[in-house]
Formats: sequence, structure tokens, C-alpha cells
Amino acid sequence: QVQLVESGGGLVKPGGSLRLSCAASGFTFSDYYMSWIRQAPGKGLEWVSYISSSSTYTNYGDSVKGRFTISRDNAKNSLYLQMNSLRAEDTAVYYCARDSNSGWYQSDYWGQGTLVTVSS
Amino acid sequence: DIQMTQSPSSLSASVGDRVTITCRASQSISSYLNWYQQQPGKAPKLLIYAASNLQSGVPSRFSGSGSGTEFTLTISSLQPEDFATYYCQQSYSTPRTFGQGTKLEIK
Repeated sequence: QVQLVESGGGLVKPGGSLRLSCAASGFTFSDYYMSWIRQAPGKGLEWVSYISSSSTYTNYGDSVKGRFTISRDNAKNSLYLQMNSLRAEDTAVYYCARDSNSGWYQSDYWGQGTLVTVSS
Repeated sequence: DIQMTQSPSSLSASVGDRVTITCRASQSISSYLNWYQQQPGKAPKLLIYAASNLQSGVPSRFSGSGSGTEFTLTISSLQPEDFATYYCQQSYSTPRTFGQGTKLEIK
């Protein structure tokens, strides 16, 4: 069965950096686009970034562009999010998600999330 | 960016009720509209994709309709496990924006 397990969250000071990881299993990771989506405490969902199956294409939301970098290692079945210059407003649960191959770009499987807290 | 607006923001209903949630896009998104359900403390779960396609394993009491700028999610007969927050999302263009959510509560 499809499994996505995020790790790497924690407490970081404003201006600091953190790298999130997402370990994928149960499907051919290299065939799928992957995304990061976040949710601030008590708030709604915010799409953060996606990466194509072979890393050719990436895209970012305006609020993280220039500070966050998405990457993947298909040999390790892993997705990453490098987060730099972190701000208080980046505090959120970060979910990794698989984007379906249907052509409609829905996120059909999600991990359980990892909490990032940016605070001094 | 495409803005997604859901209505209502919250809704009280009873088990067995039929409920409808609306999602409007600020410009046409064809049928690139997805619906997710989120239980408290859990990850979102895909219910409907491409406006009207039921995700595998999702009960048939859930249905979606619409195209262009106006979409609806309907639950034909509410079950206790359906009380949750529902989000629409457009996947027509990046950023793949979400609606603000609709919290469905027990009356």
C-alpha cells in the first residue's frame, strides 16, 4: 500500500533553516510528481511546491519562492524540502503528497505531516 | 493566482441529511477541481477529482459536479464519520490554490 512518511520537523529560530524529508513506499516513486502542502495551526491548507517525476520541473507558491527548494532522490524513494530564511509565518504542519498520474494533478495520497515551529 | 471561495464556511446538519457545499473559482478552471476531507488531527483525504470523479474507496454518497467557475460537493445522506472539514482545490494552474474550508458540524 502507498505510504508517505515525513520527518525533519522541529523548532527553529527565525532566519534559520530546516530540511524536511518524505520517505515513499508502496508505489514506483520515480513515476510520480510529488508535492508539499502545509497547514498553519488552526488554518486551512496552503499548496507549497511540486516537483516532476525526474526533477525537470519545479514550482513554488509565492510565499516561499526564493527561500524553499524542493528536490527528490528517486534511487532513495525520497522527497525533500529545504527551507531557508524561515519566518514565524512558516509555522505549520507540512504534508508531502503524491500527485496522481491521471492528468488532473490531484494529490491522491498524503503523509501524516511533520510540524515545523519557527519561534525565538 | 486563482482564488477559490467556498460557501458556507461552516454548516450544521444531522445524520441522514443531504448537504451541499459550493466552491467558486475566480476564473475558469475547466474541470480541474478536487475535493478533500480532513478529520481533526489527520491528513486530508482525496474524495473527488476532476470535479465529478469519485476517488477509489470513497463511498458513493459523495458526489461532485460543475465546471468552469462553479462547483458543488454533495453528501446524499450524512453519516457520523462525515463530520469534518472539506476543502476544494484547483489544479488548473500553479499555485494550486485551496478554498478556505467548510466545517461540517453535528446539529
